[in-house]
Amino acid sequence: GQNIDQPTEMTATEGAIVQINCTYQTSGFNGLFWYQQHAGEAPTFLSYNVLDGLEEKGRFSSFLSRSKGYSYLLLKELQMKDSASYLCAVMDSNYQLIWGAGTKLIIKP
Amino acid sequence: IAGITQAPTSQILAAGRRMTLRCTQDMRHNAMYWYRQDLGLGLRLIHYSNTAGTTGKGEVPDGYSVSRANTDDFPLTLASAVPSQTSVYFCASSDGLAGVSEQFFGPGTRLTVL
Repeated sequence: GQNIDQPTEMTATEGAIVQINCTYQTSGFNGLFWYQQHAGEAPTFLSYNVLDGLEEKGRFSSFLSRSKGYSYLLLKELQMKDSASYLCAVMDSNYQLIWGAGTKLIIKP
Repeated sequence: IAGITQAPTSQILAAGRRMTLRCTQDMRHNAMYWYRQDLGLGLRLIHYSNTAGTTGKGEVPDGYSVSRANTDDFPLTLASAVPSQTSVYFCASSDGLAGVSEQFFGPGTRLTVL
């Protein structure tokens, strides 16, 4: 079966760095997405990785290792507004997104 | 303002009633999707449409139907609602012709079936 695993909840301090991990087992692979979802709102796109390596976009970076079925989202210089859920999703061989349950990130001052 | 709209924002529905959730996008995206989001679970695909006039079943299609008469609209119908359909429903769209592309989400409909 298809499976996406990510931690349920993480806590970090304002100004610090946090890494949110995602491991996956899917039928086929056409890329991995990270989305941010604030409570009560819709998910919004953060990043897309299809090749191994690190993609940097401002304070956010995303890493992919296809051989290990592993990705992480790295958030630097954390701000209170980064408190949200972070969703990992893999596009399978049918070009459908398989979603993890999300990681709730709590930022403390 | 370009984007996706959903209606209603929230609804309380008696079991056995019929309900249609509306979704409209103005980005001229080819592909549209309906997901449900439940606490502790990832988004689960209900139905999708790769282009106007075509639809397909996702992971959890039972009890739901969709239609795609034109590019902009993708309504989701619950023929006879049951309490297990209590959830937050998100509509999304993507530019399928651009290859792998991000999905844009509507604000969601919070549905409670009693």
